[in-house]
Amino acid sequence: DIQMTQSPSALSASVGDRVTITCRASQSISNWLAWYQQKPGKAPKLLMYEASRLESGVPSRFSGSGSGTEFTLTISSLQPDDFATYYCHHYDTYSWTFGQGTKVEIK
Amino acid sequence: QLQLQASGPGLVNPSETLSLICSVSGGSISSTNYYWGWIRQPPGKGLEWIGSMYYSGSTYYKPSLKSRVTIFIDTSKNQFSLRLSSVTAADSAVYYCGRHSRLKDAFDIWGQGTMVTVSS
Repeated sequence: DIQMTQSPSALSASVGDRVTITCRASQSISNWLAWYQQKPGKAPKLLMYEASRLESGVPSRFSGSGSGTEFTLTISSLQPDDFATYYCHHYDTYSWTFGQGTKVEIK
Repeated sequence: QLQLQASGPGLVNPSETLSLICSVSGGSISSTNYYWGWIRQPPGKGLEWIGSMYYSGSTYYKPSLKSRVTIFIDTSKNQFSLRLSSVTAADSAVYYCGRHSRLKDAFDIWGQGTMVTVSS
């Protein structure tokens, strides 16, 4: 099975900061990677799919990149609404795998 | 706008079977473009995929849970269900149902989640 590993597990940042979260796959997954945002007590929300495609309605300050085994989610200018936990996710032939999450906290 | 609503008992006794329903509104569950899945999240922990199914009835389960999980669909009621047998405290979690888009290869719509506690 493919394993997804995120780093860091948590980070502290200030409003306006540029934030980058990394997700690594245990083997090449082409660009089949999605990113979700989850706020406390809420269901996850899809942000990006196919590594770099922005889901409809998601602010353009979010961007994704990468292919193969290494991927990044970047928030260009962190906003108060962005403090949340972020998960990467890969689907491959009837197997769905999530990363362990990265919590973005207020500095 | 399609919506998912998970429902079921909030408390289950150890060794018994957890049963949840996900009701789909605003769209048909009988679409070739989607899988329908269950994901859970223990308190303070990350997301864990449990299993998914296609409207035709094909099912796919996480290997470590496969012996205890059944997911089935009722197209006439536009809903799908989860059964998890022989539960223990480790199965206590928020259970989410979700729609997986085959176009995006991602869960693009999620239900609100329902907390299930396993305790006597």
